[in-house]
Amino acid sequence: ETGVTQSPTHLIKTRGQQVTLRCSSQSGHNTVSWYQQALGQGPQFIFQYYREEENGRGNFPPRFSGLQFPNYSSELNVNALELDDSALYLCASSFGGPGEQFFGPGTRLTVL
Amino acid sequence: LAKTTQPISMDSYEGQEVNITCSHNNIATNDYITWYQQFPSQGPRFIIQGYKTKVTNEVASLFIPADRKSSTLSLPRVSLSDTAVYYCLLGRAGSYQLTFGKGTKLSVIP
Repeated sequence: ETGVTQSPTHLIKTRGQQVTLRCSSQSGHNTVSWYQQALGQGPQFIFQYYREEENGRGNFPPRFSGLQFPNYSSELNVNALELDDSALYLCASSFGGPGEQFFGPGTRLTVL
Repeated sequence: LAKTTQPISMDSYEGQEVNITCSHNNIATNDYITWYQQFPSQGPRFIIQGYKTKVTNEVASLFIPADRKSSTLSLPRVSLSDTAVYYCLLGRAGSYQLTFGKGTKLSVIP
């Protein structure tokens, strides 16, 4: 059974650019959630996708958007990058609900 | 979801039992209590989840009193590899998100 994978591992962008992060969910999981974790803080929920539809959203602006594909993999897109977007971006897959979520290793984004 | 409160940091010697208590005074009837562990530059890892009384698995125990206003994660005989941040969260049936606080940074000392 393959776990959650994310790419790339690290990424450096400049302010105003756009970025796409990718996530492959664990086999059989139909729900993918994205989190942003700033240094020294707990992860903050961005949004969740279930069967290719956005199923809930945290307190993040519209320039954070996502997609889920038929194979349940997912993308997180961030437009007009700001310095405060520098963080570890985590993807988690699950069957949804309050049960266990399986997190990937994250993508470290640095915005200069 | 109700807010959770836990100590910012704890120290323990190797081989000791560690108990981390989480306060959730406004827990709702349909909230579950969940704990995650996170190592630096890695994603969080599920440890244990419970609703009431006691839950035990191969790595930890979770104690929940009858009023459910607090919970205690118990790690038996910790080792250096247990040094990590531990998060207490509330999850709700039908809810789609996990709400993390700042967690408890556990340092295990040789």
